[in-house]
Amino acid sequence: EAGVVQSPRYKIIEKKQPVAFWCNPISGHNTLYWYLQNLGQGPELLIRYENEEAVDDSQLPKDRFSAERLKGVDSTLKIQPAELGDSAVYLCASSLDRYTEAFFGQGTRLTVV
Amino acid sequence: KQEVTQIPAALSVPEGENLVLNCSFTDSAIYNLQWFRQDPGKGLTSLLLIQSSQREQTSGRLNASLDKSSGRSTLYIAASQPGDSATYLCAVRGNDFQKLVFGTGTRLLVSP
Repeated sequence: EAGVVQSPRYKIIEKKQPVAFWCNPISGHNTLYWYLQNLGQGPELLIRYENEEAVDDSQLPKDRFSAERLKGVDSTLKIQPAELGDSAVYLCASSLDRYTEAFFGQGTRLTVV
Repeated sequence: KQEVTQIPAALSVPEGENLVLNCSFTDSAIYNLQWFRQDPGKGLTSLLLIQSSQREQTSGRLNASLDKSSGRSTLYIAASQPGDSATYLCAVRGNDFQKLVFGTGTRLLVSP
């Protein structure tokens, strides 16, 4: 069974440029999460989806970050414009529902220069 | 607001030792707790999920315990191996919003 797939694995961009990350969750998983992980820290939730509905986006900086999960399957996280402080690893995870075991992808390491 | 703390931040042991990693959380109203492993530059690998009604969960050489009332969980690794070297993260899922709140992790190094 394929796990959570994220792309790209690495991205280097100049500040003020836009960037997008893509996530394909495990088939059949209704809940999808985007997490941000800074170096030496634990992941922090940015947004959680139940099917196509964003049910917890309180930590998402909405002035520059946006996310979508069309058709309740794969998801895209976008930053526009990127800032130096956005350099981090962006992790996507999925679970059958909001209560069950979460599985993570390999992450996208973003470097903003 | 739920806060999760992991002690120690780093641990170095010789191969073959049994070891315990600690996780504490401030709000005992949790639904479940999950232990993860993270290798450098990689994503998180789920190790064990322990429900709030459970006291412990085992998988191979790993055993996780949960004391919800005291806000503590431990991950016991038996007969450690160099391949166990990684960062171990615990995460709790609250009853209200069901989001996973992570600790900062314990970086484990097992030397041959």
